[in-house]
Amino acid sequence: RKEVEQDPGPFNVPEGATVAFNCTYSNSASQSFFWYRQDCRKEPKLLMSVYSSGNEDGRFTAQLNRASQYISLLIRDSKLSDSATYLCVANLPGTYKYIFGTGTRLKVLA
Amino acid sequence: EAQVTQNPRYLITVTGKKLTVTCSQNMNHEYMSWYRQDPGLGLRQIYYSMNVEVTDKGDVPEGYKVSRKEKRNFPLILESPSPNQTSLYFCASRRAGGRETQYFGPGTRLLVL
Repeated sequence: RKEVEQDPGPFNVPEGATVAFNCTYSNSASQSFFWYRQDCRKEPKLLMSVYSSGNEDGRFTAQLNRASQYISLLIRDSKLSDSATYLCVANLPGTYKYIFGTGTRLKVLA
Repeated sequence: EAQVTQNPRYLITVTGKKLTVTCSQNMNHEYMSWYRQDPGLGLRQIYYSMNVEVTDKGDVPEGYKVSRKEKRNFPLILESPSPNQTSLYFCASRRAGGRETQYFGPGTRLLVL
């Protein structure tokens, strides 16, 4: 089993739709989680950190469920510019080791 | 401008010919790391460094070497490249501490023939 698993997609959604991605992690000791966005083999860029209480940044909401060991990303009112691959990342406490998921590809259609 | 730079951006080489990919950051970050990205496998950590002269292996260190003689630079060395090291490589840096963001370089596409 991969340490961090994501559905590869693609998720094809119309503009304005709400879309949600989940990401599961296998190491219960994982402490910090992040969502990164990657465009077409360019460098990943941080979208948002994921906090235990959940957090929101504009149209994006991230949540963490420690009991079930998954994190989620919700995108509301999808824009064409949201088309990208979304990477889920877990970090073990006290380490600088980061485990990336393989990414979920999103296509927002006009 | 705060940034991570990598050179070269594209490289074609032959098996066994030593090469170095440079990485430099201008943000005075303590932590630097190298990743490779392959289709279906995602980003995998090769080596990381917590500070000058302090490095550690990531998940896929075989065939790679690193050094951290200066805080701003973290070169990746392939002593004897092989075709299975053909990949997209990213360098990243961040400050020490808890939830600090990693900043990635633009990537280096390497093809080993």
